Amino acid sequence: QKEVEQNSGPLSVPEGAIASLNCTYSDRGSQSFFWYRQYSGKSPELIMSIYSNGDKEDGRFTAQLNKASQYVSLLIRDSQPSDSATYLCAVILYTGNQFYFGTGTSLTVIP
Amino acid sequence: KAGVTQTPRYLIKTRGQQVTLSCSPISGHRSVSWYQQTPGQGLQFLFEYFSETQRNKGNFPGRFSGRQFSNSRSEMNVSTLELGDSALYLCASSLKTVQETQYFGPGTRLLVL
Repeated sequence: QKEVEQNSGPLSVPEGAIASLNCTYSDRGSQSFFWYRQYSGKSPELIMSIYSNGDKEDGRFTAQLNKASQYVSLLIRDSQPSDSATYLCAVILYTGNQFYFGTGTSLTVIP
Repeated sequence: KAGVTQTPRYLIKTRGQQVTLSCSPISGHRSVSWYQQTPGQGLQFLFEYFSETQRNKGNFPGRFSGRQFSNSRSEMNVSTLELGDSALYLCASSLKTVQETQYFGPGTRLLVL
């Protein structure tokens, strides 16, 4: 089992819809979780981090963390074509010595 | 503040050669991590340096090595290149620890022929 798993997609949503991206992780003791966005040919850029159970909102983005079920999700409201990218979930495991990244979910927002 | 910079941006090498990549972190950041990104494997952690010391290492062969200088700039070296080393190599920096947010550079795209 990989440390971090994501559905590779592709995920397509119409403009204005809610895009839902999911990520599961293997280490129950993990404490730090991050979502990065990566446009084609570019490097990853941080969208948001989350450390506590529940929801964290930042503009159109909401991260949700459920440690009991070992999943973290990202919701993108009012999706725009500019949101079309690969979304990477990253987790710092309990040992705390490195980031583990999922392989990413490709999102396409259709105008 | 200037972001993370990496040089060169593109490299073409042949099998058996060696290559050195450079990374300059954000000013004030002392932790530098290196990642390899390939379509099949995604982002994989190579190693992390802090205060000129390798603090953490991923599961890569000894052909992959690195170092960090007193100004926090870092280099990674790959010896005896193999076709499978073709990838995007990303450097990321954070203030002190790998637990903090990492900021990525633009990457160096290496093609091994």
